[in-house]
Amino acid sequence: QKEVEQNSGPLSVPEGAIASLNCTYSDRGSQSFFWYRQYSGKSPELIMSIYSNGDKEDGRFTAQLNKASQYVSLLIRDSQPSDSATYLCAVTPFHQFYFGTGTSLTVIP
Amino acid sequence: SQTIHQWPATLVQPVGSPLSLECTVEGTSNPNLYWYRQAAGRGLQLLFYSVGIGQISSEVPQNLSASRPQDRQFILSSKKLLLSDSGFYLCAFTRGSTGEKLFFGSGTQLSVL
Repeated sequence: QKEVEQNSGPLSVPEGAIASLNCTYSDRGSQSFFWYRQYSGKSPELIMSIYSNGDKEDGRFTAQLNKASQYVSLLIRDSQPSDSATYLCAVTPFHQFYFGTGTSLTVIP
Repeated sequence: SQTIHQWPATLVQPVGSPLSLECTVEGTSNPNLYWYRQAAGRGLQLLFYSVGIGQISSEVPQNLSASRPQDRQFILSSKKLLLSDSGFYLCAFTRGSTGEKLFFGSGTQLSVL
C-alpha cells in the first residue's frame, strides 16, 4: 500500500490554542486529500477535503496542501475539548484511499 | 441522501470459524465500495475495493475474500478465521467519481478467540 505518514502523538494543546497536524505521502500521483476525525470505538468522519495547492478553510479548520513537498496539514483554531480524537490523513491516487496511522489529539480544558 | 448500513456491530467468533460481514448502500447507484480493517491502536488498512458488480480488487493477500453480488451490496468473508483477523472492520463508499469523498459505515468490532 502507498505510504502515508503521520506523527502518532499524542499531541496535547490547551483549550483555545491552535492544534497543528501534519501528514506526508509517498505517491506523487495522489489527486485528492482528506482529513478524518475518529473518536474511540467509532468510525471515521470526514472533516476536510483538499484537491489543489494552498489553503482551504472551513470554520475552525484549515487544510493546507503542498504537492511539491508531498505534504498536507490540518490546523484547528480555538481548539475545544470536543476536538480530542484521533485525526487521520487520507490520500487517493485514483480509486484507492490510503490512510495514515493517525495523530491522537488531546485538548486540555 | 446516501446512507450506508453495516452489521453486526460486534461479533465474537472462535478461531477456525467462518465469517460473513455485509454492507449495503442506499441513495446512490454504482458506488465504489471498500472494506477496511483497523487493528487495535493501528491505522486503517485497505483490504478490498470494488468499482462495479463482480469487480473486486484486493490490496492485501490474506485469508479474507470479498464479493459484490449486487450494485449496492458488499460482503466480506472468510472460510477460517485466525486470531490475527481480530479488529474493527469498516465498510465505506464513494459515489464513484474521482475526487469523491469516502463515507464510512458504523463498523463491526470482530474478536477472534
